[in-house]
Amino acid sequence: QKEVEQDPGPLSVPEGAIVSLNCTYSNSAFQYFMWYRQYSRKGPELLMYTYSSGNKEDGRFTAQVDKSSKYISLFIRDSQPSDSATYLCAPLTGANNLFFGTGTRLTVIP
Amino acid sequence: GAVVSQHPSWVICKSGTSVKIECRSLDFQATTMFWYRQFPKQSLMLMATSNEGSKATYEQGVEKDKFLINHASLTLSTLTVTSAHPEDSSFYICSARSTSGRTRTGEQFFGPGTRLTVL
Repeated sequence: QKEVEQDPGPLSVPEGAIVSLNCTYSNSAFQYFMWYRQYSRKGPELLMYTYSSGNKEDGRFTAQVDKSSKYISLFIRDSQPSDSATYLCAPLTGANNLFFGTGTRLTVIP
Repeated sequence: GAVVSQHPSWVICKSGTSVKIECRSLDFQATTMFWYRQFPKQSLMLMATSNEGSKATYEQGVEKDKFLINHASLTLSTLTVTSAHPEDSSFYICSARSTSGRTRTGEQFFGPGTRLTVL
């Protein structure tokens, strides 16, 4: 079983839609839950992160973690064409080791 | 945010040759740098963790004699793919972790990646 499972998509939505991106994980040792955004042929950039269970909001983005069900979500409100990218969830252990999901490729259609 | 550069951004080489990829942290010092490999439509897979001044730690299944890593300074790590073959063609991405503990998460800052094509 992989450490992190993520639906690879691709996912296409119209501009303005609400996007829901999800991951599941198996390792209870994960403490921080990162979301990275990767544009084509570029390195990942950190979008936001949460610690333990709960929600965190940053502008149009909301990250949600449910440790009881080992479920991670990223919501994008009022999606824009510039949001088109691959989104990777990446839980982090206490030893600062990142485990990446496969990434979900998102396309926002104008 | 902190900036990490990689050079070259794209390299094409013949089978059997060796290729060196550089990873630099431009505006911060990094005691730890990471090397990842990403195949098309797949996730980033950690290859090795490199600490300045010491030998790299390789993940299971990664040949240390094939992927030579040198981390000679706090701002530079190099990955050399020795005797490259077509199956080594991939997107290689480095990341660097700041020594200053700028975030409690020990955030890694990623380079833009190097696309290697072995003919």
